[in-house]
Amino acid sequence: GDSVTQMEGPVTLSEEAFLTINCTYTATGYPSLFWYVQYPGEGLQLLLKATKADDKGSNKGFEATYRKETTSFHLEKGSVQVSDSAVYFCALSSGNTPLVFGKGTRLSVIA
Amino acid sequence: KAGVTQTPRYLIKTRGQQVTLSCSPISGHRSVSWYQQTPGQGLQFLFEYFSETQRNKGNFPGRFSGRQFSNSRSEMNVSTLELGDSALYLCASSLVYASGGAEDTQYFGPGTRLTVL
Repeated sequence: GDSVTQMEGPVTLSEEAFLTINCTYTATGYPSLFWYVQYPGEGLQLLLKATKADDKGSNKGFEATYRKETTSFHLEKGSVQVSDSAVYFCALSSGNTPLVFGKGTRLSVIA
Repeated sequence: KAGVTQTPRYLIKTRGQQVTLSCSPISGHRSVSWYQQTPGQGLQFLFEYFSETQRNKGNFPGRFSGRQFSNSRSEMNVSTLELGDSALYLCASSLVYASGGAEDTQYFGPGTRLTVL
């Protein structure tokens, strides 16, 4: 079945550092790919998405590019802030199927 | 436009009891999905409803059930609660296309934190 693998956390960075969170997937067909973020005590917020190969999703300074050849959708941000501290989830959906999530990566940004 | 709302936000029950959680989707969204989030298992799909019909079901025991009303609001019920049912229960909604398929982008509510003692 479909699956998503994310890099293990936690990730601790200093403010203004560059962020990369790796995500790779296994899926039949051509899934849509997502990054969700969960702040403490809250639900999931959609951060960005991409629906086909070479699409780049972007939002709030975060970016991820749908790489079909490497089955990857790595999340990047050029300069993180303390307010970016949260848990980040990579997910996919193949057609009319439920979202399949990675295990999440906890990011802590220190001032 | 208001987001997905879930009630109650927090719930404490004892083993053997049953519980009902409620979810109101974003206005115009007719598909509602439920997920269970635990530290050990992560995010797991429970079920999806639209047009008052269950369309997909995850791998959970029959103690977990749900329904959807004509206004797209949804409820999930857990009977005979076990300690392992303690979790954050998340509801998500999405649009349904005229063709009958749901949009793949889901929008989540804040969740209901269930604690079973």
